[in-house]
Amino acid sequence: GAVVSQHPSWVICKSGTSVKIECRSLDFQATTMFWYRQFPKQSLMLMATSNEGSKATYEQGVEKDKFLINHASLTLSTLTVTSAHPEDSSFYICSASDVLSASYEQYFGPGTRLTVT
Amino acid sequence: AQSVTQLGSHVSVSEGALVLLRCNYSSSVPPYLFWYVQYPNQGLQLLLKYTSAATLVKGINGFEAEFKKSETSFHLTKPSAHMSDAAEYFCAVSDQGGGADGLTFGKGTHLIIQP
Repeated sequence: GAVVSQHPSWVICKSGTSVKIECRSLDFQATTMFWYRQFPKQSLMLMATSNEGSKATYEQGVEKDKFLINHASLTLSTLTVTSAHPEDSSFYICSASDVLSASYEQYFGPGTRLTVT
Repeated sequence: AQSVTQLGSHVSVSEGALVLLRCNYSSSVPPYLFWYVQYPNQGLQLLLKYTSAATLVKGINGFEAEFKKSETSFHLTKPSAHMSDAAEYFCAVSDQGGGADGLTFGKGTHLIIQP
């Protein structure tokens, strides 16, 4: 149980275009979803936290207008990178938790590798 | 503010030897602590978690970690390394249990297993 999927697993886009990444909880209701960014050979940095039906809370330094997060249902959150630039190239990982379960655990998706050319 | 320090960006051990990966944390409240493993180009898999119950936590794949409040440490160990243990390991901390708040990760330790 507790499976989180991401789509696509990798994407290449041209500079200036937008790209959407989906994060789905397959077998549980995700009341809270998180988006992390991981640069090559580095740690994960929390970008934002989203609760179903609410606006996302962004970490300091993360541009909310550039990284649009939508958590419209209990099983789906999307991250849209708008007007992407090469410096946005990274590994984006989502995680999800069911805060009603008290398991103190986030379940991570497999990640999406974004390359902006 | 929370922080996590993982000593040693790379650790190399021989197959069958003890694995010790170090993690020290800083938190203003009693923390929730986690160890995750990441294989290349994959997401994170939870190895174990400390949630204020027993200080010695047993996880998957033979790993365990001991919470030591006096040393603000949560080191990960495994008695006998296996080749399949080669991966990136991350220690993480949360104030609220990890379910409602994002995790703060250490920089990671790359574990190398020598045959």
